[in-house]
Amino acid sequence: GDSVTQTEGPVTVSESESLIINCTYSATSIAYPNLFWYVRYPGEGLQLLLKVITAGQKGSSRGFEATYNKETTSFHLQKASVQESDSAVYYCALGGTGGYKVVFGSGTRLLVSP
Amino acid sequence: DMKVTQMPRYLIKRMGENVLLECGQDMSHETMYWYRQDPGLGLQLIYISYDVDSNSEGDIPKGYRVSRKKREHFSLILDSAKTNQTSVYFCASSRQDTEVFFGKGTRLTVV
Repeated sequence: GDSVTQTEGPVTVSESESLIINCTYSATSIAYPNLFWYVRYPGEGLQLLLKVITAGQKGSSRGFEATYNKETTSFHLQKASVQESDSAVYYCALGGTGGYKVVFGSGTRLLVSP
Repeated sequence: DMKVTQMPRYLIKRMGENVLLECGQDMSHETMYWYRQDPGLGLQLIYISYDVDSNSEGDIPKGYRVSRKKREHFSLILDSAKTNQTSVYFCASSRQDTEVFFGKGTRLTVV
């Protein structure tokens, strides 16, 4: 079936350091999957951080970026310099067209220390 | 304002009681979802609804049922709650394959 595997948390990083959260996917029933990163801040629901629908393309938002790599089936999330306000839980997800359900990874808790 | 609203936000119920979780969205989205989240397991899909009275089981439907009589409302019902249904429940909505919008979650504790 379709699945998403991501870095197990918590991930602890000092402010201004770089970050990478790994995400790999398996899309056996979706020919052209769309890939997403969602973020959940404390007390809030998940919200879309970025999405990429074309293999080889890069998405970016709020200093985060992720490249859709079809060869390695990966969609790693990176940021060059994290801030304390980036502390949250990050979810990698894949979906398809036509109302296909979105499959989420288990989430990675990021803790940024001052 | 694009929003998914869940009520209540916190709920404590005794084992065997019935539970009703309500969800509303103001975006006229066709598709709505109920997920639960448990530590280390991520989001697990309970039910998906493609429109009014068009509901399908997700990955873990056992012990749950849903109702969608209006496009903007999607309810999750637990008949005779069990302690292993203690979790955080998220409702979400989307239009086809576009962005999924989530509510803030309902923390349910079954004692």
